[in-house]
Amino acid sequence: QVQLQQWGAGLLKPSETLSLTCAVYGGSFSGYYWGWIRQPPGKGLEWIGEINYTGSTNYNPSLKSRVTMSLDTSKNQFSLNLSSVTAADTAVYYCARSYYTSGSYYNALGYWGQGTLVTVSS
Amino acid sequence: AIQMTQSPSSLSASVGDRVTITCRASQGIRNDLGWYQQKPGKAPKLLIFAASSLQSGVPSRFSGSGSGTDFTLTIGSLQPEDFATYYCLQDYSYPRTFGQGTKVEIK
Repeated sequence: QVQLQQWGAGLLKPSETLSLTCAVYGGSFSGYYWGWIRQPPGKGLEWIGEINYTGSTNYNPSLKSRVTMSLDTSKNQFSLNLSSVTAADTAVYYCARSYYTSGSYYNALGYWGQGTLVTVSS
Repeated sequence: AIQMTQSPSSLSASVGDRVTITCRASQGIRNDLGWYQQKPGKAPKLLIFAASSLQSGVPSRFSGSGSGTDFTLTIGSLQPEDFATYYCLQDYSYPRTFGQGTKVEIK
C-alpha cells in the first residue's frame, strides 16, 4: 500500500523559504508524477507543480519564479522549496502521486500526503 | 491556463437524494479530468479518473461522465458519509487547474 508522509517547518517569517519533504512508502518512483498542491485556509485547491521520475518539472506560472522541486530516489523522497514567502503563501500544503491501475499510468492524483499547515507571519 | 468552472458552489441535499455536480472547461480537455472528495481537515481523495473511471474501492454510487468541455459527477443515492466538498481537476495540460469546489451539505 502506497503511503506519502510529509514534513517541514510550520511557521515562517516573510521573505523566508518554505521547505517541505514528502517520503514515499510502498512504491517506486519510476513512471509517476510527484506533485504539490496547496489550500489556503477556507479556500480551494491550487496546483503548485510536479516533478516526474526523471526529474523533469512543471510549475504553476503564478509561482514559477519562486518554486523549486527535487527528488531523491535513494531516499524515496521528493521536496518543495518556495522562496520569499509572504502571508499569501499561508496554506495547507499537500504532496501527491499520480495514479496507476490495470497496467496504465494516469495523471490523476491517486495518493496524497496528510498535509502540512504552513503559516507565514512576522 | 485552462479554467475549470464548477457548479453549484454549494448544495443542500438529503440522504438518498441523487446529486449532480458539473465542471466546464474553458477549452477541450478530452477526458483528462478527475473528481476528488475532501472532508474537513483531510487530504482530497480521488474518486473518478479519466472522467468516468471509478477508483478502486470507491462506492459504485459515484459515477462520472463527459468529454471535451463538459463533465458531471453524480452521486446516485447520497449517504451520510458523502457530505463533503468535491473538486474537479483537469490533468490535460499545464498548469493543472481545479474547479472552485462544491460543498454538499445536509438538508
